[in-house]
Amino acid sequence: NAGVTQTPKFQVLKTGQSMTLQCAQDMNHEYMSWYRQDPGMGLRLIHYSVGAGITDQGEVPNGYNVSRSTTEDFPLRLLSAAPSQTSVYFCASRQGSRNEQFFGPGTRLTVL
Amino acid sequence: DQQVKQNSPSLSVQEGRISILNCDYTNSMFDYFLWYKKYPAEGPTFLISISSIKDKNEDGRFTVFLNKSAKHLSLHIVPSQPGDSAVYFCAASGQGGSEKLVFGKGTKLTVNP
Repeated sequence: NAGVTQTPKFQVLKTGQSMTLQCAQDMNHEYMSWYRQDPGMGLRLIHYSVGAGITDQGEVPNGYNVSRSTTEDFPLRLLSAAPSQTSVYFCASRQGSRNEQFFGPGTRLTVL
Repeated sequence: DQQVKQNSPSLSVQEGRISILNCDYTNSMFDYFLWYKKYPAEGPTFLISISSIKDKNEDGRFTVFLNKSAKHLSLHIVPSQPGDSAVYFCAASGQGGSEKLVFGKGTKLTVNP
């Protein structure tokens, strides 16, 4: 199993550009989440999904959009990038019967 | 308003000694607590967890203690090894479900040979 994979590893955007961060898991996990980590901060939940077709907002959802059309994939869309969205983004997944989440390696995003 | 606090940004210990990492929380609705370990340029890795119905959970060199009345938990690593050097995050979840993990800011542990 590859676990949770994220692409790209690094990305530089200009203010106002849009892009999609990809996340995929091959563990057949029902639950998937997106977090961002800013310097000196813990991870903060952006959006999450409890299954295909079901998503909900986390702590910091503004400026981001998600959808879950398959169990495996959970892309995160930045609609109009802003410098405040410069961060490291982590995707995670969880099996329904367990509490621990498994994290991907992260995408480091810089918005100029 | 920080609901999960790790008040020590860093900790340095000698190899073979005990490492104790602390975490405090303010939300009494939290009922499940997790510790994650993170190396630079990698995603967090699950280490150990504890439910609020327990006060101790042990897994090899790692033990987590929970004091609900004090809203405090701690992670003990015995004996500490240089490979344990990493940032450790405390996380909590409550009635909102385990998707809604609330993380502390992390403690950077350095284990010196």
